[in-house]
Amino acid sequence: RKEVEQDPGPFNVPEGATVAFNCTYSNSASQSFFWYRQDCRKEPKLLMSVYSSGNEDGRFTAQLNRASQYISLLIRDSKLSDSATYLCVVTPGYSTLTFGKGTMLLVSP
Amino acid sequence: DAGVTQSPTHLIKTRGQQVTLRCSPKSGHDTVSWYQQALGQGPQFIFQYYEEEERQRGNFPDRFSGHQFPNYSSELNVNALLLGDSALYLCASSGGAGGYNEQFFGPGTRLTVL
Repeated sequence: RKEVEQDPGPFNVPEGATVAFNCTYSNSASQSFFWYRQDCRKEPKLLMSVYSSGNEDGRFTAQLNRASQYISLLIRDSKLSDSATYLCVVTPGYSTLTFGKGTMLLVSP
Repeated sequence: DAGVTQSPTHLIKTRGQQVTLRCSPKSGHDTVSWYQQALGQGPQFIFQYYEEEERQRGNFPDRFSGHQFPNYSSELNVNALLLGDSALYLCASSGGAGGYNEQFFGPGTRLTVL
């Protein structure tokens, strides 16, 4: 079983749609959780950290369920500029990141 | 404030050759991590350097080695290149006042092995 598993993509949605990404992780000792965004042929950039209480940043909402070892990202009112690959990331410590394969999002006009 | 920089941006090598990639961390950061990202995959952790020593290592063979210098910059060396080493190599820095959880990535070096 892979350490971090994400929905296979791509997700094709129209502008204004709501889209949800799911992620599960296998290492119960994981301490920190993140969503990164990666544009085509660019480096990953931190989108948001994920906290047990859930957290929101504008149109983006992240949730963590430690018992189920499950992480989610919800994007509301999708924009063309949201088109990218979204990477689920966990870390057991010492800031060594374990990435999922990523889920590509394509937002069309 | 310069972010993480990497050189070169692109590199083409042939099987069996050796390569050295370079990384300068973001100002104020003292920890450098290296990742390999094959096409269509997420980045995979290679190793992490702190205080000029390898602190953590991922599941990569000894052909992959590194170094960190007193100014916190780092090198990744790969010996006896294989076709499967073709990938985007990413350097990430963290530490200092920003803490160690958030990592900032450089633009990467795209290595092609022929």
